[in-house]
Amino acid sequence: EDQVTQSPEALRLQEGESSSLNCSYTVSGLRGLFWYRQDPGKGPEFLFTLYSAGEEKEKERLKATLTKKESFLHITAPKPEDSATYLCAVQGLEKLVFGQGTRLTINP
Amino acid sequence: ETGVTQTPRHLVMGMTNKKSLKCEQHLGHNAMYWYKQSAKKPLELMFVYSLEERVENNSVPSRFSPECPNSSHLFLHLHTLQPEDSALYLCASSQDYGRAHEQYFGPGTRLTVT
Repeated sequence: EDQVTQSPEALRLQEGESSSLNCSYTVSGLRGLFWYRQDPGKGPEFLFTLYSAGEEKEKERLKATLTKKESFLHITAPKPEDSATYLCAVQGLEKLVFGQGTRLTINP
Repeated sequence: ETGVTQTPRHLVMGMTNKKSLKCEQHLGHNAMYWYKQSAKKPLELMFVYSLEERVENNSVPSRFSPECPNSSHLFLHLHTLQPEDSALYLCASSQDYGRAHEQYFGPGTRLTVT
């Protein structure tokens, strides 16, 4: 069974303090790994798709990386508006499986 | 704005009521999904439609009944719900089903069952 585990469950940072979120996965035949951002009371917003180990993608202060067992979402010099829950999901041979998310809070 | 809209945004219903959730996508996608999101739990896939045919039903109780009249519209019909069904119900769409296409989500319907 495909599984996704995200850590930490919650993370508090000061503005400008860089850090990383982890997504560990087991999947039969990885077709893609996705990162989403979700603000309270809203639907998830698509950020990145990674297809194979070694791939990296960047968008503003966010950078996603992928290995055969895990993915990292690196946040560089975050701002308060980066506060949200970040979700990781993997697409294997069957359905898309989500992790439980990391709730990120950036204090000014 | 993701191109996926959901109505209503909030719904309070009694256990004996019947209501429907509506989802519409303006992206020209071929696959549509219903998810349930409860507090501190991962998103749970409920139903998948590909080209208007149901392709997945993940052991969802029969009090939830989906309908996909065309590739742009998806409904979730609700009847005799339980308090534990209170959650955020999310609709999503993707270009195709079963491939590594990103899914685009609507804003969700916050459902409270009293």
